[in-house]
Amino acid sequence: EPEVTQTPSHQVTQMGQEVILRCVPISNHLYFYWYRQILGQKVEFLVSFYNNEISEKSEIFDDQFSVERPDGSNFTLKIRSTKLEDSAMYFCASSETVLVGGEQFFGPGTRLTVL
Amino acid sequence: GESVGLHLPTLSVQEGDNSIINCAYSNSASDYFIWYKQESGKGPQFIIDIRSNMDKRQGQRVTVLLNKTVKHLSLQIAATQPGDSAVYFCAENKGGGYQKVTFGTGTKLQVIP
Repeated sequence: EPEVTQTPSHQVTQMGQEVILRCVPISNHLYFYWYRQILGQKVEFLVSFYNNEISEKSEIFDDQFSVERPDGSNFTLKIRSTKLEDSAMYFCASSETVLVGGEQFFGPGTRLTVL
Repeated sequence: GESVGLHLPTLSVQEGDNSIINCAYSNSASDYFIWYKQESGKGPQFIIDIRSNMDKRQGQRVTVLLNKTVKHLSLQIAATQPGDSAVYFCAENKGGGYQKVTFGTGTKLQVIP
């Protein structure tokens, strides 16, 4: 069964450093997403991406964040200068469509710890 | 504004019993709802969805009920098994170009053997 994969599973970084979280969406999917989940809290939408551009983003997704699809398979989330409050699980998701009923498939997540 | 919330943070159920997880939403315009299961250390996993033009949908051992009058939905799990232990989130997605899924706060289901 096809699945979304993410690397690394755990990333530890110093405050102020840049991190890049990587995702490989399901191969025939066209829509890509990043969500985050701070420990013990609900999953929060960050950004959606289609046709090589951001199609929707939340207020969390400020200038410190960027996304990219550098090739035909990877989808990355970059945080330019990490803050302590960026510590969270980051989930990538992909879907075939954005129509109602277009299921989003989630990856296993990357745990980001900012020290 | 959008708000999807859950009534209880933790639910303990005996193995074999039925589980009912409840969720309230505040946006009357919400038209598509999803239940996700999140096991420890994993990402959310789609369980079942329902559109606002329906009031009930059944899957394998799961049923989702939607009451638009009181803006409430529930997830029923029949014959709960230890493998059902997880956090369950109700979520909303508008579709039609609105791509984000808005999650509720989650209910932890504990199955007692």
